[in-house]
Amino acid sequence: QSVLTQPPSVSGAPGQRVTISCTGSSSNIGATFGVHWYQQLPGAAPKLLIYGDNNRPSGVPDRFSGSKSGTSASLAITGLQAEDEADYYCQSYDTSLSLYVLFGGGTKLTVL
Amino acid sequence: EVQLVQSGAEVKKPGESLKISCKGSGYTFSTYWIAWVRQMPGKGLEWMGIIYYGDSDTRYSPSFQGQVTISADKSITTAYLQWSSLKASDTAIYYCARRDVETEYFDYWGQGTLVTVSS
Repeated sequence: QSVLTQPPSVSGAPGQRVTISCTGSSSNIGATFGVHWYQQLPGAAPKLLIYGDNNRPSGVPDRFSGSKSGTSASLAITGLQAEDEADYYCQSYDTSLSLYVLFGGGTKLTVL
Repeated sequence: EVQLVQSGAEVKKPGESLKISCKGSGYTFSTYWIAWVRQMPGKGLEWMGIIYYGDSDTRYSPSFQGQVTISADKSITTAYLQWSSLKASDTAIYYCARRDVETEYFDYWGQGTLVTVSS
């Protein structure tokens, strides 16, 4: 079980807005560490989607946005498209248990 | 263009040794860390460990400490992940990923190496 908790699955119809949560604790998301998000399309390597809580790398559509509050973070996708169907992972760091890099368990997004 | 190119798929028997590689190009290696990430069939991402090209400082996830060895050869800008005795449970895709020394995220990923361990 991951230290960062994500819902196993979310779904939405094309054009809708969906959010994916990532819940941690005071030793990771609630500390000074940023939250980052990755998109993994079927059969592909993960790709950086959001970094530093709410920043998009060049080339990532502004339909994707991130936010953080307290010990939780969220990824929002607006104007859902079929090509967004993928697995999404949050990532942060932790100061306890000698854990260095943390990944959430991943969320499968299904576009209905 | 930044690239991380990993070695090809491997099929091994339990008890065999293995070393897979990740060659970086298109960037200044000494200012980046390279991490290894495991993805077991149908499962999520697991961080295994990370190495800093600059001084070979290496850190492991407690789950993988003693199970694998991470190393790097600066002269050929290549990082390695190796096992001395594979188990069937090591069957997975292994990704390398780059992290800048000043940041906390992985901005480029290798294409992945599928390792299959079966008798």
